[in-house]
Amino acid sequence: QKEVEQNSGPLSVPEGAIASLNCTYSDRGSQSFFWYRQYSGKSPELIMSIYSNGDKEDGRFTAQLNKASQYVSLLIRDSQPSDSATYLCAVRDYGANNLFFGTGTRLTVIP
Amino acid sequence: DTAVSQTPKYLVTQMGNDKSIKCEQNLGHDTMYWYKQDSKKFLKIMFSYNNKELIINETVPNRFSPKSPDKAHLNLHINSLELGDSAVYFCASSLGNSGNTIYFGEGSWLTVV
Repeated sequence: QKEVEQNSGPLSVPEGAIASLNCTYSDRGSQSFFWYRQYSGKSPELIMSIYSNGDKEDGRFTAQLNKASQYVSLLIRDSQPSDSATYLCAVRDYGANNLFFGTGTRLTVIP
Repeated sequence: DTAVSQTPKYLVTQMGNDKSIKCEQNLGHDTMYWYKQDSKKFLKIMFSYNNKELIINETVPNRFSPKSPDKAHLNLHINSLELGDSAVYFCASSLGNSGNTIYFGEGSWLTVV
């Protein structure tokens, strides 16, 4: 089983602040990286994917990938209470049919 | 228009029973999955099918048997249920295996008493 580790949390930030979520992975062969958001009692939903080193921005979300350090992060700017959820990091090898998930980081945005 | 739908959403059953969870996707995907999420929220692959063929079969008890009648359906049958089988089971699907997004169903909450 490949290892995907996330900062354990829970993480609390005030509304309007930047939330930083971190993830490391063990397999250098990993090629695709994903961040899923899971609200309590709901299914995971994809919010960001990243495949190349560097930053990828989508609205208030920025994913950062550093393959040399085997590290991927998610920054949420101007955090809102509606961002309160568990964030799951997932990695996938090239040609693989499976995602390996981290254990998730619970984020709470305090109004 | 539910993309990945699974039934039932909630299931409470006694130890020793046999139960099935059904999954259907209308996204035209060719790969389907079953994931198990335990009480600590860890999401782990159980099975993956591509065009009705089993391609991933992680270490799960053989009491769990997936069946894919066609590439739009992947059902999960569980025999002789045990307390430790209590979890949320998520069906998912994707197009191919080139890193495309995996979409999840709403989950089936199984409680074994």
